[in-house]
Amino acid sequence: QKEVEQNSGPLSVPEGAIASLNCTYSDRGSQSFFWYRQYSGKSPELIMFIYSNGDKEDGRFTAQLNKASQYVSLLIRDSQPSDSATYLCAAREKLTFGTGTRLTIIP
Amino acid sequence: EPEVTQTPSHQVTQMGQEVILRCVPISNHLYFYWYRQILGQKVEFLVSFYNNEISEKSEIFDDQFSVERPDGSNFTLKIRSTKLEDSAMYFCASSEGRYSYNSPLHFGNGTRLTVT
Repeated sequence: QKEVEQNSGPLSVPEGAIASLNCTYSDRGSQSFFWYRQYSGKSPELIMFIYSNGDKEDGRFTAQLNKASQYVSLLIRDSQPSDSATYLCAAREKLTFGTGTRLTIIP
Repeated sequence: EPEVTQTPSHQVTQMGQEVILRCVPISNHLYFYWYRQILGQKVEFLVSFYNNEISEKSEIFDDQFSVERPDGSNFTLKIRSTKLEDSAMYFCASSEGRYSYNSPLHFGNGTRLTVT
């Protein structure tokens, strides 16, 4: 079983709508998670991290962690065309990334 | 803002040749990493390095790979005898801590390695 799994998409969302990205993990020992954004041909850039159950908000982004169900999600509100990218979920302790979800915001 | 720098941005080499990819981590970071990403595939962990030693490595990081911190600023990845399947983007990353929840990995812009 893969340590971190993501729906590879592609996920298409109209501009201005909420984009919802999900990630599940297999190791209950994993405590903290990071979301990265990767534009085509570029390096991953950090969006935010979360380590406590519940929600964490940063601007238009909200990360959610549910340790009992072993999933992490990222919500992007008021989606913009510039949000079109691949979003990577990472389990910090494992140093591993999911396969990424390709998100396209439709103008 | 401090950043991780990698050189060269693109390296072309012939199969069987040795290549060295170079990285300058963020100056106050103590943990260094190499990842690779084959075109269209996921970002894969290769190795982590701390206190001049490999701390973790993946199955990908076999005997043809080695890492070194030759001086106080550079961190290198050497591939001894390149194969066609080594063609990929190689990312260097660094972090302040290893397991700290608030110590994310900061990535360089990558070196695209093409083996012909």
